[in-house]
Formats: sequence, C-alpha cells, structure tokens
Amino acid sequence: DAKTTQPNSMESNEEEPVHLPCNHSTISGTDYIHWYRQLPSQGPEYVIHGLTSNVNNRMASLAIAEDRKSSTLILHRATLRDAAVYYCILRDTGNQFYFGTGTSLTVIP
Amino acid sequence: DSGVTQTPKHLITATGQRVTLRCSPRSGDLSVYWYQQSLDQGLQFLIQYYNGEERAKGNILERFSAQQFPDLHSELNLSSLELGDSALYFCASSTRSYGYTFGSGTRLTVV
Repeated sequence: DAKTTQPNSMESNEEEPVHLPCNHSTISGTDYIHWYRQLPSQGPEYVIHGLTSNVNNRMASLAIAEDRKSSTLILHRATLRDAAVYYCILRDTGNQFYFGTGTSLTVIP
Repeated sequence: DSGVTQTPKHLITATGQRVTLRCSPRSGDLSVYWYQQSLDQGLQFLIQYYNGEERAKGNILERFSAQQFPDLHSELNLSSLELGDSALYFCASSTRSYGYTFGSGTRLTVV
C-alpha cells in the first residue's frame, strides 16, 4: 500500500487559511491523491482529489507539487466545523484506500 | 445522509458471541468496503466486495467474514468476539470514477 506522511496535529485560528501538508515520495504515475476528513464519531467524508493539476471545489483546494511527491490541502477560511482529522491517501491499483493516522486539525475561535 | 446505510448504529454483546453488521451501499455503487477503527487508531481496511465477489482482503481476522448479496447489500460477520474487537466498523461504497462514500458506522462494544 502506498504511503503518505502527514503531521500528527495542526492548529489554526478561525477564519484564517489552513495549509495541510502531505508527503508521498513513493507515488506512482497512476496514483490519484485523495483527501478525506473525519469529524468525531462520524465516517470519513470526501474532501477533494487530484492527479497532477491543482484542483478546487466548494470545500477546499488541492495544490500538487510538480514532481507529485507532495501535496497541500488548503482550507481558505477555517471554521469551527472544519475541526477534524484530515487524511491524505493514495489510491492504489487495487482501488482500496489505506488510511494513515492523518492530521488532527484544531480550530481556535 | 451519505446514501450508505449501516445498521445497527450501536451493538453491545458479550465475549464469545457472534454478530452481524449490515451495510446498504449508495444507489448504483457496486463496490463495498469494510473498515475497522479502534479507539484512537486509524481506519484499518478489512475487505472489499465488488458486485457480489470478494475483490481484496486487508487485515481481516479469520474469525471475521463478509459477503455481498445480489441486491448489493453487504454483511460483516464477527464471531468468537473478544474485548479487543470493540471498535467502530465502517462500510463504504464507491463507483470506479469517484471516491468512497462512508456510512455513519456501527459502534460495537464487547463486554
């Protein structure tokens, strides 16, 4: 299973941008980069995914390095509801997601 | 509502017993995945089914088994339960071109 490395925890002030980094140096050419988040006592929720180009949706932006060995999830204005564990995952050829420990984001009012 | 339905939401049972967890995937999704999340741990992939057939196995114990039925709902059977099996069990479904949609989980407590 493809590996990703994320900081264990991060803090952000409310209404400020948050940049959540992820390293995936062993990524293959066909691996998509997916981000999910998990709020307490809930199932993980899809946030965004991409292959090579930067991606934007209503929830967040995904910035992918040119060599694809790292990516950054950007929350443009953090709210208290964004406090969650954020998982960066590479989707392997077998189509399964292998979750790491993720980054626990704390949003400070 | 994510579209993936898991029942029951909570389950309390004794050691040595057997339980069945049920998952109805999102309409149109052929793949079902089961994950286990123990306290303060990440999500462990257990098993995947695609259109009724087992597609991949992860860290699933021999005491655990699953199946997917013709109507595409899936059941995860856990037998000879131990205290360490207490966890949240999540089901997810997907299509080929998109990511996973997770259910809200079943919280299993073994006493």
